[in-house]
Amino acid sequence: NAGVTQTPKFQVLKTGQSMTLQCAQDMNHNSMYWYRQDPGMGLRLIYYSASEGTTDKGEVPNGYNVSRLNKREFSLRLESAAPSQTSVYFCASNTGYTFGSGTRLTVV
Amino acid sequence: QKEVEQDPGPLSVPEGAIVSLNCTYSNSAFQYFMWYRQYSRKGPELLMYTYSSGNKEDGRFTAQVDKSSKYISLFIRDSQPSDSATYLCAMLNDYKLSFGAGTTVTVRA
Repeated sequence: NAGVTQTPKFQVLKTGQSMTLQCAQDMNHNSMYWYRQDPGMGLRLIYYSASEGTTDKGEVPNGYNVSRLNKREFSLRLESAAPSQTSVYFCASNTGYTFGSGTRLTVV
Repeated sequence: QKEVEQDPGPLSVPEGAIVSLNCTYSNSAFQYFMWYRQYSRKGPELLMYTYSSGNKEDGRFTAQVDKSSKYISLFIRDSQPSDSATYLCAMLNDYKLSFGAGTTVTVRA
């Protein structure tokens, strides 16, 4: 199925643990994005990649790193998870025209 | 001050009513204006986008942009229970989208 695929869908981490959220799109889009969504805050941009080989910080990049592995894949890494990173994470492509279904992350 | 402010809601309307959703913005550099629909525990889904002042219709949905007032609206005519969702406005500048906080709409059968 065409679209944006995120894995995992759910994750519980302990404070200080690390993990990588995976995102892949099969629509040959150049740009890809990572957002977090918190109650009452809307969606906030963490990092984006305008094209393969480039990445840039968004509004809330602290505590995160990204890798644009190839044109299809854009991963988000939490090196040392904190409770403030409990959120729903969305990947998007093509300046936000298509979103994935999200990863619900809880840090305890 | 946030770049994009959205009427917080929630809104509850009877089936068949017109739903009116509104956002204001402060950044004159925004080039495109979008509306998304998000069902519970799902990703946002792009409903409409426009880049100029005026109205754009798509079925029961009308998006309105007033660049001089920095104000955008979404109208849903003949609302249905299946329209119950959170609606997000968003604005694009230089590859980046800035979102409003969302308005939750419930359409009562």
